[in-house]
Amino acid sequence: EPEVTQTPSHQVTQMGQEVILRCVPISNHLYFYWYRQILGQKVEFLVSFYNNEISEKSEIFDDQFSVERPDGSNFTLKIRSTKLEDSAMYFCASSSGVGGKLFFGSGTQLSVL
Amino acid sequence: AQKVTQAQTEISVVEKEDVTLDCVYETRDTTYYLFWYKQPPSGELVFLIRRNSFDEQNEISGRYSWNFQKSTSSFNFTITASQVVDSAVYFCALTGAAGNKLTFGGGTRVLVKP
Repeated sequence: EPEVTQTPSHQVTQMGQEVILRCVPISNHLYFYWYRQILGQKVEFLVSFYNNEISEKSEIFDDQFSVERPDGSNFTLKIRSTKLEDSAMYFCASSSGVGGKLFFGSGTQLSVL
Repeated sequence: AQKVTQAQTEISVVEKEDVTLDCVYETRDTTYYLFWYKQPPSGELVFLIRRNSFDEQNEISGRYSWNFQKSTSSFNFTITASQVVDSAVYFCALTGAAGNKLTFGGGTRVLVKP
């Protein structure tokens, strides 16, 4: 089965630093997402991306966050100035259509010190 | 606003017992999609099932079965004859027809003891 790939699997950074989390969605998918999961909590929606623009974002996705699809294969999440509370597992996902199955990557564990 | 409630935070069973996970949802959409995902200790999210709001047939896949009751806004999940490998956190999730934003429930941790 095709996979969503995320790199790195773990990222440790200092508070205030910028981080970029990378994802390669499934090649023929059109919809891309970022979710996050703080340790022991539920999975929370951050942002959805379609047709080269953000289609929906949550209140968590403030000005410190941005997403980009710089080429035909990568989908990135940037956090400009990390805070301690940004420590979480970040999941990338993609799907082929509205209401379709979301394929999740294996996640990037971000630790902000 | 959409909401998914998984009232059971943790369930512990002995191997071969059946276990049912409850999921209750709220949505104003007439068309919506329900999902179950499994999160094993390794952390990834594994897709189990997707069901649209117009298909109320129950589904069975091996030891897994799902009971969709639109009248009570519930989409419950049963593992029959549980095995140690079923130990994981199980999430129920919901999305409307307008977009693909998944709203997750809080998850139910299932611990299957040998």
